[in-house]
Parts: sequence; C-alpha cells; structure tokens
Amino acid sequence: KQEVTQIPAALSVPEGENLVLNCSFTDSAIYNLQWFRQDPGKGLTSLLLIQSSQREQTSGRLNASLDKSSGRSTLYIAASQPGDSATYLCSPQTGANNLFFGTGTRLTVIP
Amino acid sequence: KAGVTQTPRYLIKTRGQQVTLSCSPISGHRSVSWYQQTPGQGLQFLFEYFSETQRNKGNFPGRFSGRQFSNSRSEMNVSTLELGDSALYLCASSLFGATANTEAFFGQGTRLTVV
Repeated sequence: KQEVTQIPAALSVPEGENLVLNCSFTDSAIYNLQWFRQDPGKGLTSLLLIQSSQREQTSGRLNASLDKSSGRSTLYIAASQPGDSATYLCSPQTGANNLFFGTGTRLTVIP
Repeated sequence: KAGVTQTPRYLIKTRGQQVTLSCSPISGHRSVSWYQQTPGQGLQFLFEYFSETQRNKGNFPGRFSGRQFSNSRSEMNVSTLELGDSALYLCASSLFGATANTEAFFGQGTRLTVV
C-alpha cells in the first residue's frame, strides 16, 4: 500500500519568503502526482499535476518537481503571501485510480 | 465550466439513521471517487465509480455504499450511522480515471455530524 509522508507537518514563514514543501512516497509505480491545497473545512483545490514522465511543472509562483525513482516530490512557493496560508497535500496516483494522501503540511504566512 | 458539486454541504444525523450524499462531477467526467476526511485518520479512499460501475473500493465496512447514474452523478449512502462516521466527505471527478493525464477535481465536501 502506498505510504505518503510530508515534511514539515507545519511551517510558519514571514510574507515574501520562498519556501519548499517536501513529499515522499513508497511506491514509485505511479501515473502522476498532484499537489493540492485545502483551506479549513473546505474541499481540495488542485494546484499542479505532474505526469510520471515529467520532472517539473510550473504554475505562477508554484513549481513542483518529481523524482519518481526515489519517490520524492517538492513544491516550491516563491514570494509567499498571506493568502497562501492553507494545508498543502501531495497525492500520488496509482493505476487503481485512487489517490493516496499524507497528512499534509500546514502553512502559515505571517503578514 | 461548473466544478464538482456536492450536496448537501452540512448534515446532522442521529446514530442509527442512514444518510445519502450526492456528487455531480464536472461535465464530461466519467470517474467519481469518494473520500472520508477526519482529523485522526486524514483522507481515506472509499470507492471509485466509472461508467456506473464500481472499479475500486477502499477498506470501509459494508455500511458504506455508493452508486453512479448514467449522467455520471454519484451518490454515497451510509447506513446505521455511528458517531465515528462524523467527517468531511469529499468527492473527486476526473475524465477517465487511471491515465497519466488524469487530474482530479474535488468538490467542497459534505460535513456530516452524527449525534
């Protein structure tokens, strides 16, 4: 069974800082990996999807990388803003089409 | 383009009752998956439906069931509710399911409270 670990569990940074969130997974036989953000009590918002054949994907201030063979992905957030405060979840997708989730990283950006 | 719609947003039920939750996927999406989110267990996969067929099921008791209609809308049913069923229930839709380009989109969830 796929196990997903996200480090750190919580992170607090001042506005404007660049930051990196880490994700590791145990089964490298994935189709893709998705990064999501979740605001308290809300659903998940898709941020980036990296296909297994890709190394990197960018959207605005977000950049995600994938090293499938080592079972790792990182999400880089540039010039953080208070509106970035949320829980970030990474999710590798297997052929069974169910997403596996870790417990996420809770990010707080201090104005 | 409308997103994933879940109804109702909030529910309060009594132990022993049953409940039905609804999920309307993005137009054209044929795969719908359901997840349970609790503070203690995090996000856990319940089941996935594709073209009205259950393709995959997580490790939940038989009290949790679902179905999908020909228009891809899906319902999830929980019978004989227990206090531990209190959770945020999320559904996700995607085009086809297990392909490299499949991006999953989630609804806002249904907050179920069992008292």
